[in-house]
Amino acid sequence: DARVTQTPRHKVTEMGQEVTMRCQPILGHNTVFWYRQTMMQGLELLAYFRNRAPLDDSGMPKDRFSAEMPDATLATLKIQPSEPRDSAVYFCASGFEDRAGYTFGSGTRLTVV
Amino acid sequence: DAKTTQPTSMDCAEGRAANLPCNHSTISGNEYVYWYRQIHSQGPQYIIHGLKNNETNEMASLIITEDRKSSTLILPHATLRDTAVYYCIVRGLTSGTYKYIFGTGTRLKVLA
Repeated sequence: DARVTQTPRHKVTEMGQEVTMRCQPILGHNTVFWYRQTMMQGLELLAYFRNRAPLDDSGMPKDRFSAEMPDATLATLKIQPSEPRDSAVYFCASGFEDRAGYTFGSGTRLTVV
Repeated sequence: DAKTTQPTSMDCAEGRAANLPCNHSTISGNEYVYWYRQIHSQGPQYIIHGLKNNETNEMASLIITEDRKSSTLILPHATLRDTAVYYCIVRGLTSGTYKYIFGTGTRLKVLA
């Protein structure tokens, strides 16, 4: 089965450091999402790309977070500077917008100390 | 997107059918009902979706009421591996986007 690949799986970093999370969507999918999951807030949508163009990043803290798709095989989510409250699991998902469901990656578990 | 309401948790005996309800009373005509599940520490997994007709696939069946204000996901023969959080999502075209808004879901525990 085709997969969405996220790297790294785990990341521990110190407060103030830059963190970059990567996602390789399934080849051919035209839509990519980034979600963040915490115990308190559940799954929150951070960013949404269609054909590599950002459509919605209203859920993302703009001062420190940025999301890009430099090409069709790579999506990145960057946090600079990181803070302890950014500790969460970050999921990437890809799919075809108007068809059956999206495929999620296994997530990046980020811990900021 | 329409808000959905699900029970917080449910138990089901292994081998029995698990019926997970979802209320979406404000759903509009072009919005689909999607179900995902999340097994501990994994990413959400797509199960099934529908507009107004009942749907079935290898994982589950989806029953949508005629007025479309509620639906039920049915796992016909639940196994221990079906223990997970199940999310019911209503998704339509909003401001040019088809985004999902996840709620808190139903935590299904399948008991041996």
